[in-house]
Amino acid sequence: EAQVTQNPRYLITVTGKKLTVTCSQNMNHEYMSWYRQDPGLGLRQIYYSMNVEVTDKGDVPEGYKVSRKEKRNFPLILESPSPNQTSLYFCASSPLDGARDEQFFGPGTRLTVL
Amino acid sequence: GESVGLHLPTLSVQEGDNSIINCAYSNSASDYFIWYKQESGKGPQFIIDIRSNMDKRQGQRVTVLLNKTVKHLSLQIAATQPGDSAVYFCAENNGNQFYFGTGTSLTVIP
Repeated sequence: EAQVTQNPRYLITVTGKKLTVTCSQNMNHEYMSWYRQDPGLGLRQIYYSMNVEVTDKGDVPEGYKVSRKEKRNFPLILESPSPNQTSLYFCASSPLDGARDEQFFGPGTRLTVL
Repeated sequence: GESVGLHLPTLSVQEGDNSIINCAYSNSASDYFIWYKQESGKGPQFIIDIRSNMDKRQGQRVTVLLNKTVKHLSLQIAATQPGDSAVYFCAENNGNQFYFGTGTSLTVIP
């Protein structure tokens, strides 16, 4: 089944404790992206990647890191999480033609930073 | 209506009626627009897209209209069904980045 998977789905952590949220897609998509969703603010793009070893900042990259060592994986890293990073996070991927194509979203990761 | 940056939070329609969800975008350089549906507890799901060289595109029960003159996008859902109840987002793209609206919550009244 074609899908985007994220792990973990739920995470409660404490300020300053490094964490990684994994994202994997099995559709051989070039483009991958991370978003956070907060009430009243919609989805905001954190980072995106056009291809392996190519990553760029989105609208709200502060406090996050990403890597794209393989086409299928695009982990989101929070080196020192803070409470303002409590949010619902979505990973997405889309085929070639850059970003101008349907994005497939993962199921989301709900992160709480205490 | 919904706007990238502003939003009309809720819309209620009777089952069987047509729904119209509006979206105002701000960047005249945006050339690709998408509507997503998000059900509770799930990730956004693609509904329909439109490129800036078109002003209308139809799918199954859905139509997207684009008015570049006033930077307005709308989603029309024909014969709205209970399964259409969800939050709907518009998004614009002017390169490799996406900008989403804050969403409109559609409730279908049986």
